[in-house]
Amino acid sequence: ETGVTQTPRHLVMGMTNKKSLKCEQHLGHNAMYWYKQSAKKPLELMFVYNFKEQTENNSVPSRFSPECPNSSHLFLHLHTLQPEDSALYLCASSQEQGRGTDTQYFGPGTRLTVL
Amino acid sequence: GQNIDQPTEMTATEGAIVQINCTYQTSGFNGLFWYQQHAGEAPTFLSYNVLDGLEEKGRFSSFLSRSKGYSYLLLKELQMKDSASYLCAVMDSNYQLIWGAGTKLIIKP
Repeated sequence: ETGVTQTPRHLVMGMTNKKSLKCEQHLGHNAMYWYKQSAKKPLELMFVYNFKEQTENNSVPSRFSPECPNSSHLFLHLHTLQPEDSALYLCASSQEQGRGTDTQYFGPGTRLTVL
Repeated sequence: GQNIDQPTEMTATEGAIVQINCTYQTSGFNGLFWYQQHAGEAPTFLSYNVLDGLEEKGRFSSFLSRSKGYSYLLLKELQMKDSASYLCAVMDSNYQLIWGAGTKLIIKP
């Protein structure tokens, strides 16, 4: 148990559906991250929030929309996804982005399948 | 471009020692991290190196040579529960983590 929870753990959706992924951290951290993990590929950073402000958007398609209402919660809203978006979506948190010793702690991920 | 290289898969025997290598080319360097990820689970933090040398933490040790752009993770007295993927990541000059694809370690009895 790392102090970062994600729901749902598994999600199957059609290309026309709208769904949201939720992440919550109980570590008192100020930075939160969304990553995409595909088989045999490096983790891909999608979005970063530091003190509720979005600091990174790594050329992510607009069909992915993040929301960070406070430092403890992070959402990823999904709409009109493509089958190639099927992957494990990991949320992470850290004390504060911008420090070398800043260690990221991960949630268990949401396994997303797009039909 | 930025690049992290590590072997795709390694096999070792229970009770033995294994060394997982990681080489990197990044824009700047603010530290190197190793994570362990069991299948279907979250990556969990193992170690952080920012200075050259060896950091020991129980059965696990991590080494860094910044001049060579090289690190390794050393696992001693291997146990079956060590079967997992091991991820190497470097924090670049923008304080972003650049990740390797991971090394899947298979432990055989």
